Amino acid sequence: EVQVVESGGGLIQSGESLRLSCVASGFSVSWMAWVRQAPEKGLEWVALIYGGGYIDYADSVKGRFTASRDESTNTIYLQMNGLGAEDTAIYYCAKVGDSWYGDRYSYYIDVWGKGTTVTVSS
Amino acid sequence: DIQMTQSPFFLSASVGDTVNLTCRASQNINSYVNWYQHKPGRAPNLLIYAASALHSGVPSRFSGSGSGTDFTLTIRSLHPEDFATYYCQQSYTLSPWTFGQGTKVEIK
Repeated sequence: EVQVVESGGGLIQSGESLRLSCVASGFSVSWMAWVRQAPEKGLEWVALIYGGGYIDYADSVKGRFTASRDESTNTIYLQMNGLGAEDTAIYYCAKVGDSWYGDRYSYYIDVWGKGTTVTVSS
Repeated sequence: DIQMTQSPFFLSASVGDTVNLTCRASQNINSYVNWYQHKPGRAPNLLIYAASALHSGVPSRFSGSGSGTDFTLTIRSLHPEDFATYYCQQSYTLSPWTFGQGTKVEIK
């Protein structure tokens, strides 16, 4: 079965750090993403790991969060530093799929984890 | 950045109804739009990609249409399990990879 399982969430103080993990099964990690949902808010893209290894971030986390991929353990990580109340959210790990459309690939998230909750107390 | 604006924010409907959810992009994004269903406490699910392609295993009562800046997700004959929040997402550019704010479909 293709699935991803997140872990590492918890309650921490403002300014502290936390590392989330995501173990994949049923496929090899390549294109992967982190998406979050703050309380009573919508989905927000956080980070994207490209197949070739390039990693991009939302402006709201750039410079504070670092995503990484370990192909040997089929795991991705999200290192979160300098956390603030605005980072309180459910964090979802996701597999990125693709389909050729028009003259290039179209990308989408075809496998989502159940999420891990991060609560930052001020 | 490409902004995605969904309407309405809330939609009340009954089992058996057909509903249309709309999503407007702030610029031409061809047909690079995905639609997701999200229920509280559960992982989101991909419904549609490339504006109109039905993801594997998704019931045929879901369909997507549109191109350019205006897109629609149609749910025909609402089932009880379809009451959820629906998000569009543009994939014209992955930086940033933006979602709409969501449309919550509620039971009337």
